[in-house]
Amino acid sequence: SQKIEQNSEALNIQEGKTATLTCNYTNYSPAYLQWYRQDPGRGPVFLLLIRENEKEKRKERLKVTFDTTLKQSLFHITASQPADSATYLCALDRPERFGAGTRLTVKP
Amino acid sequence: NAGVTQTPKFQVLKTGQSMTLQCAQDMNHEYMSWYRQDPGMGLRLIHYSVGAGITDQGEVPNGYNVSRSTTEDFPLRLLSAAPSQTSVYFCASSDQGGRYGYTFGSGTRLTVV
Repeated sequence: SQKIEQNSEALNIQEGKTATLTCNYTNYSPAYLQWYRQDPGRGPVFLLLIRENEKEKRKERLKVTFDTTLKQSLFHITASQPADSATYLCALDRPERFGAGTRLTVKP
Repeated sequence: NAGVTQTPKFQVLKTGQSMTLQCAQDMNHEYMSWYRQDPGMGLRLIHYSVGAGITDQGEVPNGYNVSRSTTEDFPLRLLSAAPSQTSVYFCASSDQGGRYGYTFGSGTRLTVV
């Protein structure tokens, strides 16, 4: 069956460092992959979408890579800030499957 | 404000009761879906719809019904509530191609006692 896994349940980093989150999938060849941010008590908010023919996509301090050979996506937040603390979710395309999320804490 | 509106925000049901969770969007999105989110399990797809009159099952459809009579509305019905359906429920919508991701509602926290 299709599986999507985010390797770390929680990640703690120091302010100013780069946070790197991992998303792996099996038994699937998605046309695209998405990343979301979720704050406690709220719905997920869309951040970035990367297609299978794209290696990398950037948006401000965010960067996503997509390696279809490794079946992996990496999500980077550069120059991290305490306001970046949240849970980050990856999702495959339709019918969509979400990873369980990685809870990122950025310490001042 | 444009977006996805879910009602109610909180609900407590007794085992065996039925209820409908409401979801409405004003972005003219063709695609709508329902998820449940449980601790440690992420979001799991219950049902989805690619347009008015068309629905399909997701990963965990048992105990839930949906219908899509209009583009705007996608209600989720719990037929006979069970404690295992205690969860946070999210509705989401997107354009047909999904190019801009999904827009989520703020969720309904449901407790079945």
